[in-house]
Amino acid sequence: GAVVSQHPSWVICKSGTSVKIECRSLDFQATTMFWYRQFPKQSLMLMATSNEGSKATYEQGVEKDKFLINHASLTLSTLTVTSAHPEDSSFYICSASYQNTEAFFGQGTRLTVV
Amino acid sequence: GENVEQHPSTLSVQEGDSAVIKCTYSDSASNYFPWYKQELGKRPQLIIDIRSNVGEKKDQRIAVTLNKTAKHFSLHITETQPEDSAVYFCAASRGGGGNKLTFGTGTQLKVEL
Repeated sequence: GAVVSQHPSWVICKSGTSVKIECRSLDFQATTMFWYRQFPKQSLMLMATSNEGSKATYEQGVEKDKFLINHASLTLSTLTVTSAHPEDSSFYICSASYQNTEAFFGQGTRLTVV
Repeated sequence: GENVEQHPSTLSVQEGDSAVIKCTYSDSASNYFPWYKQELGKRPQLIIDIRSNVGEKKDQRIAVTLNKTAKHFSLHITETQPEDSAVYFCAASRGGGGNKLTFGTGTQLKVEL
């Protein structure tokens, strides 16, 4: 099946710094990728839709200036958490779909802001 | 936008028993309904999905039923095993797996020996 790889798997950063998370589709091209956030013992919540070659579409309540998304190629989308704070600590997961069949998820990134 | 409700939030069954998890959705345009199993710290794993042109789908011990009129769908796991213990999420989307998913709140399933 199609593979989506996310990097890093976990990261610890200091409050006020920025962190970049990469999401790659390894064996297919993805014009659209999705970024989700999952707090402990909660569900996955869509943050934004990443569109190759154009601006991302953010869900209501998600600050676009804080969560910067870049989808510069058909196999890579990045999410940058800027000026991270402890409340941004969460599990971030990306997904992409091959030929609209099913969503393939990256392995997730555990972000801890200290 | 879409809203997906899921019940129960926790479910404990004895090994070999059946487990049923139910979800309702609000957007009548949703036509793709996947179910995911997620273990702690891992990515969601698709276990079964159903599209709105069918009412039921089965894969070995797992089945999903869909009632479009009532806007609800259910996951049925038979002959449960300890390795079935995990958190299960339902989801809904318009237009298939390539579109954004709205997830239910999750069900913690525990299969006891």
